[in-house]
Amino acid sequence: AAGVIQSPRHLIKEKRETATLKCYPIPRHDTVYWYQQGPGQDPQFLISFYEKMQSDKGSIPDRFSAQQFSDYHSELNMSSLELGDSALYFCASSLVSGSDEQYFGPGTRLTVT
Amino acid sequence: AQSVAQPEDQVNVAEGNPLTVKCTYSVSGNPYLFWYVQYPNRGLQFLLKYITGDNLVKGSYGFEAEFNKSQTSFHLKKPSALVSDSALYFCAVRGSGSARQLTFGSGTQLTVLP
Repeated sequence: AAGVIQSPRHLIKEKRETATLKCYPIPRHDTVYWYQQGPGQDPQFLISFYEKMQSDKGSIPDRFSAQQFSDYHSELNMSSLELGDSALYFCASSLVSGSDEQYFGPGTRLTVT
Repeated sequence: AQSVAQPEDQVNVAEGNPLTVKCTYSVSGNPYLFWYVQYPNRGLQFLLKYITGDNLVKGSYGFEAEFNKSQTSFHLKKPSALVSDSALYFCAVRGSGSARQLTFGSGTQLTVLP
């Protein structure tokens, strides 16, 4: 079965640079979520989109933005990167009208140097 | 605000023995409860969920979880542990309202000893 696809899998950036993470949800899923997992920490919710509209917002810094496109893929844009942004970024998708559990992608490991 | 507590950072169990990974939660309204497993450098894999119905929920790989409303708990169990079950386990909760983001516990590292 198709899973959530994230790209790139690994990304190394320097401080103050910009990064873009991409997420391709499971086909026909209508909701996308972004989570950040710091080293040794639990995943923290950043933001979600339902039918291409922002639905909920968590602890996402103002330096970050995200959107969901007409083909349902989503991008997380991160600017003015800081060392503390180094983390594993997960995208998850779900079908609200279905069983509603979230299926996670493999994550993008961002390292800021 | 919703929260999840996993009181044990580490659980060790011998292969073939039953295992339990504990989880308690706090949420307004009816809880939607989930267990996920994470292997090193991998994403989170869905194991099972409780939304309504039977308090005993069966999931993937022989895992099950018992919902206890009075104790606000959702402990993960397996009758006979395998070495391959060794991984990081996360309990998660969301409310029954329109906000669907998950709140995770701090995770429990399960080690099954051969």
